[in-house]
Amino acid sequence: QVQLQQGGAGLLKPSETLSLSCTVYGGSISGYFWSWIRQAPGKGLEWIGEINHRGSANYNPSLKSRVTLSVDTSKNQFSLKVRYVTAADTGVYYCARLYISGPPTAASLDVWGQGTSVVVSS
Amino acid sequence: QSALTQPASVSGSPGQSITISCTGTSSDAGTYNLVSWYQHHPGKAPNLMIYEVNKRPSWVSNRFSGSKSGNAASLTISGLQAEDEADYYCCSYTSGNTVVFGPGTKVTVL
Repeated sequence: QVQLQQGGAGLLKPSETLSLSCTVYGGSISGYFWSWIRQAPGKGLEWIGEINHRGSANYNPSLKSRVTLSVDTSKNQFSLKVRYVTAADTGVYYCARLYISGPPTAASLDVWGQGTSVVVSS
Repeated sequence: QSALTQPASVSGSPGQSITISCTGTSSDAGTYNLVSWYQHHPGKAPNLMIYEVNKRPSWVSNRFSGSKSGNAASLTISGLQAEDEADYYCCSYTSGNTVVFGPGTKVTVL
């Protein structure tokens, strides 16, 4: 059974860089896309981006200029960096496995990490 | 980034059935079987409830079902129970290789 374990710092000052990691246990990082999703306080879920084991990534256009996703297959791990954070980046960040089939003809986030609370405050 | 629309809230009494709608466009919800639904209890990670429009993971009760017509998808909860009270999000992969979530629907069990 695949499980995702999140790590990284949860308290940042404005303009700093948010760095989170997600380690895949019980399965290979190959063959899937891996996503980051966040939820600001009182708001809904927001997709940040996705990356596969080859390092091919797609991003939410609204965040693309500040976000970088990376993957380390030797550690079965993928990571998120968000530069120049502000209070608007405060929230809970989740990593998840994005299962895609076909061209794609089907896609779903079927395994989720436990979530990391991130607070941006001066 | 396209947007999916959902009602802000839906309520029902125990035992009743409720339906949550999710309307998108031909670039997301209307394309193939790209719609999925997630249950989110506060303080917990979201949980996949429906994938490929109408399929249930093994851990999900058969009280949950999904359907789609054109650009609109729906999630139905039958035999509503207190534990079903949560936020529900529809989600779609898009033709631009991105993922979009609906704004979420708060389900209240009266």
